[in-house]
Order: sequence, then C-alpha cells, then structure tokens
Amino acid sequence: AQSVTQLDSHVSVSEGTPVLLRCNYSSSYSPSLFWYVQHPNKGLQLLLKYTSAATLVKGINGFEAEFKKSETSFHLTKPSAHMSDAAEYFCVVSVYNFNKFYFGSGTKLNVKP
Amino acid sequence: GAVVSQHPSWVICKSGTSVKIECRSLDFQATTMFWYRQFPKQSLMLMATSNEGSKATYEQGVEKDKFLINHASLTLSTLTVTSAHPEDSSFYICSAPINSGRGETQYFGPGTRLLVL
Repeated sequence: AQSVTQLDSHVSVSEGTPVLLRCNYSSSYSPSLFWYVQHPNKGLQLLLKYTSAATLVKGINGFEAEFKKSETSFHLTKPSAHMSDAAEYFCVVSVYNFNKFYFGSGTKLNVKP
Repeated sequence: GAVVSQHPSWVICKSGTSVKIECRSLDFQATTMFWYRQFPKQSLMLMATSNEGSKATYEQGVEKDKFLINHASLTLSTLTVTSAHPEDSSFYICSAPINSGRGETQYFGPGTRLLVL
C-alpha cells in the first residue's frame, strides 16, 4: 500500500529565510515521488519529481527535494522564501507503471514580509 | 509543458439537477485520465480512473451511478454528477498522465468548483 504523511499542516516563514516542508512516505514498491503546489483558485503545478534517478532533485522556482530511502522521506526545501511562494504544497507518491497518485494532506506555506 | 483544461471552471446548480464537467488534454493524448475531489481545506481524493474506450474504475466508496464518467476520445473525459445534492458541492479536478519512460507524471486541470444549492 502507498501513503504519504505531510508532517506540518501549516508552516510560516519570513521572506528571505529557508523553507522546509516535510514529507514521509510509505510504499510497497519503489516509489515515484512528487511535489505539487496549488495557489488559491489555480490548478496544481508540478514543482519537481523523483523517479529513481538522482536522489537530490531540483525543481522550479528554486525548490529542491532529497529522496532518503533509509528515512522514507522526501522533504522539500528552498534556501530563501519569496512572497510568491505562499501557497499549499502537496507531496504525492506513485508507483512506477501504476498511474494512481496518493496525495498527502497538504502543507499551507505562509510567507511573512 | 503539457496542458489539461477543464470546463466549466465553476458551476452553480439546483439540487436534483445533473452537471457535466469536461476534461481535455490539449497537446497530448491520454488513454487514461483521473478524477479527484477536493473538499475545502482537505487534500485531493481520487474518485475514479477514466479509461478511453472502456468503463471507468471507481475508488471504494464512490458511487458509479452518481458520478458517470465517459472517456469518448483520447483527449476528452467527462464527469457527470447526476441528481446533485448540496453535499456534492466540491472542487473537482482531473488529471492526465504522461509517461516519460521513468514513470508517470500527472498533469492537472485547473479544477471545476461545483456549488449545489
């Protein structure tokens, strides 16, 4: 079975400070892992994905995530938050050749001026 | 990048009526599409898998007679909410996958907000 746990429902940071959004997964198979961002009243946008290549994955807008199999984690980071990063972030697990996506509960990122 | 569109973006209807939502892959073909539902302040929950040329497969707890899915072509899937009730009010999102050879990536539509009065 596949599942995702996002450890924080809300994260608040000041502009210019680092961002850490935590995600742990459970999968019976080698997983593919994704981070999506959802801005208010907009569709989901893919930030980055891990599909068994390099464990450190770089995405758009300066985000990156590291796949750690020993910790079953895929935390999302960014060195310096920008006001435009305020949104909801979803960690997603899927299994190769299985189309189904399993979403975490989401983390709402607030960026303070 | 790949684009998935949905129509309408929002709809208000009376209780008991049916509502059709379209999902289109604009620049690629999709033999499979997925329908999700997102209630306020909650995550996306997979409702069903839409299969071109065959029946949709529904997740446990989703009524197939209430949420009719038709995948008429390689670029279009429709979700019809039949006899809608206020509890069906939600944000409905579709997605379509592209297989890059190292697994699937889902491209999501912008969503359809349904309000049933």
